[in-house]
Amino acid sequence: KQEVTQIPAALSVPEGENLVLNCSFTDSAIYNLQWFRQDPGKGLTSLLLIQSSQREQTSGRLNASLDKSSGRSTLYIAASQPGDSATYLCAVREDSNYQLIWGAGTKLIIKP
Amino acid sequence: DVKVTQSSRYLVKRTGEKVFLECVQDMDHENMFWYRQDPGLGLRLIYFSYDVKMKEKGDIPEGYSVSREKKERFSLILESASTNQTSMYLCASSITAYYGYTFGSGTRLTVV
Repeated sequence: KQEVTQIPAALSVPEGENLVLNCSFTDSAIYNLQWFRQDPGKGLTSLLLIQSSQREQTSGRLNASLDKSSGRSTLYIAASQPGDSATYLCAVREDSNYQLIWGAGTKLIIKP
Repeated sequence: DVKVTQSSRYLVKRTGEKVFLECVQDMDHENMFWYRQDPGLGLRLIYFSYDVKMKEKGDIPEGYSVSREKKERFSLILESASTNQTSMYLCASSITAYYGYTFGSGTRLTVV
């Protein structure tokens, strides 16, 4: 059974630092992996989607990588800003399955 | 951009009431999903739908039902609301497995 883990559960860094959020999954037979951001009390905003055949995707200051063989994805945030403070969730879609398997999220705080 | 609209941001209902949560998407997506999100439990799938008039149970369907009479609208129904259904409810849609999910802004339901 697929399991998705995000470590650390919480992270606090000073503004301006580059940082990496981790997502690991136990079964490499995934269809794609999606990173989301959630602000307190709000819905989820999609950040990046990586297909199983891709190695990375970039959007602005965000870069997500995928290594299926090792069961890992990372979300790299460059030059962090206080507005980046949120909970970041990763979710895996398995082959031929419409459902997502969710990590528990990393709560990120960027200190001004 | 795809827009997923949930009709209410906040709802307060009484125990035993029948509650309707509405979700509308504007991009002709086949797949729609209802999740609930609770602290410490993450996102849990309640029901999903592959197409009009089709529905599938997710991980926690008890106490809920759904309706999808039109492609763009997916309704979650609490037949007799109970206090343990107090939660954040999130609707999402997806065109196919290749593409990611788009979420609505969420409905915070409180049952008193």
